[in-house]
Amino acid sequence: DTGVSQDPRHKITKRGQNVTFRCDPISEHNRLYWYRQTLGQGPEFLTYFQNEAQLEKSRLLSDRFSAERPKGSFSTLEIQRTEQGDSAMYLCASSLALPAEGYTFGSGTRLTVV
Amino acid sequence: AQRVTQPEKLLSVFKGAPVELKCNYSYSGSPELFWYVQYSRQRLQLLLRHISRESIKGFTADLNKGETSFHLKKPFAQEEDSAMYYCALGGYKLSFGAGTTVTVRA
Repeated sequence: DTGVSQDPRHKITKRGQNVTFRCDPISEHNRLYWYRQTLGQGPEFLTYFQNEAQLEKSRLLSDRFSAERPKGSFSTLEIQRTEQGDSAMYLCASSLALPAEGYTFGSGTRLTVV
Repeated sequence: AQRVTQPEKLLSVFKGAPVELKCNYSYSGSPELFWYVQYSRQRLQLLLRHISRESIKGFTADLNKGETSFHLKKPFAQEEDSAMYYCALGGYKLSFGAGTTVTVRA
């Protein structure tokens, strides 16, 4: 286990297309988080899972966004009908149930919508 | 609502000089605070947590509830400290500041 893995590292897509990102957390971590980061800003919370249950979604997560973690292991984040405003770095992180331990982040997926 | 403010976007110091990165927060409960660091071409990683009162890479941070601050300090900056630093607040869900870019010059 080499940490949190995200795939792909980069994605360029045309406006209106659907994209899907994958995150593989650290295997012992039962919590998984998705964040979005735009230029000059810190990461912004999108959603998180405890095992397979999606427990919270930010209002930033419009109806075009959906996230799943079907077996409590890897997670996918799908964006439908992409818009230029969706261009950002999408970060995945995982943690143990005790959040005070901090998160372990993946390298992120950089999405560019043209 | 929880909010984190990092008032400095950029901070430039000479090697060997002290460095202090400011972080202020707003939170109604008992805060959990963190500093994360991102070195060039590397992923975001945890630097330190207020609950552990530890010193990592010579950095310390003290939680001041009266001033609602959690400033990060290092007495003698090194060139390898050049990075982006984020202050973060929260428990299961972290709120991040906008970050401070630190450049340590020789």
